[in-house]
Amino acid sequence: DIQMTQTPSSMPASLGERVTISCRASQGISNYLNWYQQKPDGTIKPLIYYTSNLQSGVPSRFSGSGSGTDYSLTISSLEPEDFAMYYCQQYDSSPLTFGSGTKLEIK
Amino acid sequence: EIQLQESGPGLVKPSQSLSLTCSVTGYTITSGYDWSWIRKFPGNKMEWMGYISYSGSTNYNPSLKSRISITRDTSKNQFFLQLNSVTTEDTATYYCARVRYYSGYWYFDFWGPGTMVTVSS
Repeated sequence: DIQMTQTPSSMPASLGERVTISCRASQGISNYLNWYQQKPDGTIKPLIYYTSNLQSGVPSRFSGSGSGTDYSLTISSLEPEDFAMYYCQQYDSSPLTFGSGTKLEIK
Repeated sequence: EIQLQESGPGLVKPSQSLSLTCSVTGYTITSGYDWSWIRKFPGNKMEWMGYISYSGSTNYNPSLKSRISITRDTSKNQFFLQLNSVTTEDTATYYCARVRYYSGYWYFDFWGPGTMVTVSS
């Protein structure tokens, strides 16, 4: 199975701050990488698919990049509703696997 | 809009079977896409469990292959998860989700709100 190492596991940040979450795969995944947001109420939604494609309805302050084994999610200016859990997920090979999650907390 | 809703017992005894239903509205599950189950454990680890395609074929996570079954009832536009011989390690929040795929893209685009299942005697 491809292991997804996501860092940091938690991140205190301030409103308006630019933050980056990283995800490293145990082998190359050819950009087959998605990002999801889980809100405190448990609801989950996609943010970015295929490394850098913004899901419809997701604000443009979210962006994704990367290649090979290293990928990142960037939020350009934190809004109150962005404090949540974030997960990366690879679909290069089965079984699909997720990163361990990053909790974005208010500083 | 497409909506998914999980339902089922919140408490299951060890060694018994866990059975959950995902009810889909706003889209017919035989029209396209794959339909998946994912779970999130206490401590935040997430695991993809498997999916059933619009045509009825299935694909499971090998770690669960001997215990899992995903089926559907097309007349009710529902799909189901059965996990046999559960242990306390199967305690998790279970989500159903639609898989969107085309031209290299493959991701879970719609999710249910999740249902928490505790395995305990």
